[in-house]
Parts: sequence; structure tokens; C-alpha cells
Amino acid sequence: AQSVTQPDIHITVSEGASLELRCNYSYGATPYLFWYVQSPGQGLQLLLKYFSGDTLVQGIKGFEAEFKRSQSSFNLRKPSVHWSDAAEYFCAVGFGGEYGNKLVFGAGTILRVKS
Amino acid sequence: DVKVTQSSRYLVKRTGEKVFLECVQDMDHENMFWYRQDPGLGLRLIYFSYDVKMKEKGDIPEGYSVSREKKERFSLILESASTNQTSMYLCASSFGTGVQPQHFGDGTRLSIL
Repeated sequence: AQSVTQPDIHITVSEGASLELRCNYSYGATPYLFWYVQSPGQGLQLLLKYFSGDTLVQGIKGFEAEFKRSQSSFNLRKPSVHWSDAAEYFCAVGFGGEYGNKLVFGAGTILRVKS
Repeated sequence: DVKVTQSSRYLVKRTGEKVFLECVQDMDHENMFWYRQDPGLGLRLIYFSYDVKMKEKGDIPEGYSVSREKKERFSLILESASTNQTSMYLCASSFGTGVQPQHFGDGTRLSIL
């Protein structure tokens, strides 16, 4: 069965430090890949997505993610974290379905930023 | 700016009650979704709709139903609320083919007592 794993429940980084959030999936083919962010008390916002082509994807708010087929991973990165990046981040993977892609979410990673 | 509006941010109901959660989008999107969000479980799809009066079950439809009489409105119904339905509920919408949500509402935190 398809699954999405975010191995880190919580991550704490210092403001200005680099960030990498991990995401691994289990699926027999190449899926569609997404990262969402949820600020406290708000809904989710799409950060970036990968469908095909260049495996390094640029998103909003200075985030990027790299698809590595050999590792079944789609890790999210940011070179310099800002305090406003503190939020919960969800990786999601789209698998083929009758009505298009079925989206499966990871459990989320809570990012804390310390000053 | 795009907008997905959920009618209530917080809702408290009693077991056995019929509960309605309302969601409205102003983007003329074909697709609308209801997700349930629980700590450690991420988001799980309850139902989605790809057109007016059309609906498809998601991963956890048991105990829920939906209604989409107009394109902009998608309602989630708890037929007889139970305590295990206490959760955060998120509505989302998108356009085009595929079922990945693009825009989310701010959520309804529902407590069933």
C-alpha cells in the first residue's frame, strides 16, 4: 500500500540556520509530490509541487525541494530560516486513481525556530 | 485573493446530534474536499466532490455524508455524532483534473461531548 513517512515529528533550528525536512514515500511508480505548510490556527498553504522534469523544485517563501527517485524521497530545504517559518509542514504524495491523483499526507513535522 | 470559508472555527456538539459543517469557496473551483486532521496522523480524506451533486468517498467516510447542491458550497454531515469524531476538519478546493487540494479553509475544531 502507498505510504508517506515524515521521520521527524519535531525539529528545532536557530534563526538563520539552514533547514531540511525529510519525506519518504512508498509507491511502485513516480508519484506527484507536494509540500504544504500550516501556521497555527490556519489552514494549509501549498509551498511547492513536483510533477515531472527538473527534480529540484522552487517554491514560495524561499523553499525548495529535491526529488530523489533512488531514495524515494522529496526533502524540503531552506538555506536560512526565519522566525516566521515556525509552523507544521506536511509532505503529500499523489498516487494514480480513478479520478486523478489520490493524495496521501504524511503525519507532519513541527518546526520550531529559536532566536 | 482566493478564499475558502468554513462557517465555524469552533463547534461543540453532543453525542447523537446531527452536525453540519459548511464550506464555501469563491473561486469557481470544480473540486472540493473534506479532510480530518488529527495529531500524528496528518490529514485524511473523508469525501471529495468533482462537480455539483457528485461525490466520492475518501479514506475514512464512515459516519459522514456530504452534500454539494451548488458549485461553491460543500457540506459535511455527521449523521449521529460520536466522541471519536472530535477533531479538526479542513475544507479545500481546487480546479482542473486531479484531486490534489490547492486552497484550504482555516478549519473547524469540532468537539463532541
